Amino acid sequence: SYELTQPPSVSVSPGQTASITCSGDKLGDKFACWYQQKPGQSPVLVIFQDTKRPSGIPERFSGSNSGNTATLTISGTQAMDEADYYCQAWDRSTAVFGTGTKVTVL
Amino acid sequence: EVQLVESGGGLVQPGGSLRLSCAASGFTFSSYEMNWVRQAPGKGLEWVSYISSSGNSIYYADSVKGRLTISRDNAKNSLYLQMNSLRAEDTAVYYCARGEPQGGSFSQGFDFWGQGTLVTVSS
Repeated sequence: SYELTQPPSVSVSPGQTASITCSGDKLGDKFACWYQQKPGQSPVLVIFQDTKRPSGIPERFSGSNSGNTATLTISGTQAMDEADYYCQAWDRSTAVFGTGTKVTVL
Repeated sequence: EVQLVESGGGLVQPGGSLRLSCAASGFTFSSYEMNWVRQAPGKGLEWVSYISSSGNSIYYADSVKGRLTISRDNAKNSLYLQMNSLRAEDTAVYYCARGEPQGGSFSQGFDFWGQGTLVTVSS
């Protein structure tokens, strides 16, 4: 079955840039999405179709996808961005979520 | 305002059954694909099942195939998940999540989620 692998944790200082990777076989041939989930809350879609932001998502969130890796970048990270982040893609009629990354803003 | 409200969770014994519901409002329910996604306590997200806008196409994760059944009633703006032969590993918060408008290309993600309903399978 298809798998998406993320680093368990990423630490970033306020105002700096956080990059979260998502690795999967030929992931660049699929569309990647990213979700943010804060403790006790439902996930929120922050990136779809590799690079697009839904309405209401700040411009500091951006995405890319090429080769075997999709990347979520948070520029000018704020304390409110501290959360778990999950990538997701579809493979043969199956939705697959990444293993998740906890972003800590120190 | 798009709203998805799940209900039907609770405590059930191993081997038992439960039916989850998701009431949708604020959008044309019959025009959207829908999904169930679950999250075990302290764990990551796991996709469970997909149903097309008409209900004609249905997909399941291997882990639930043959035990869980997704369905929808577009006249009632409702999504369902019939859960049979439940196991301890099915314990999780179950979310309904809106997919793409009909005819989508599996590229737009799940743009709205409910608050989730907790299913606990234990004796």
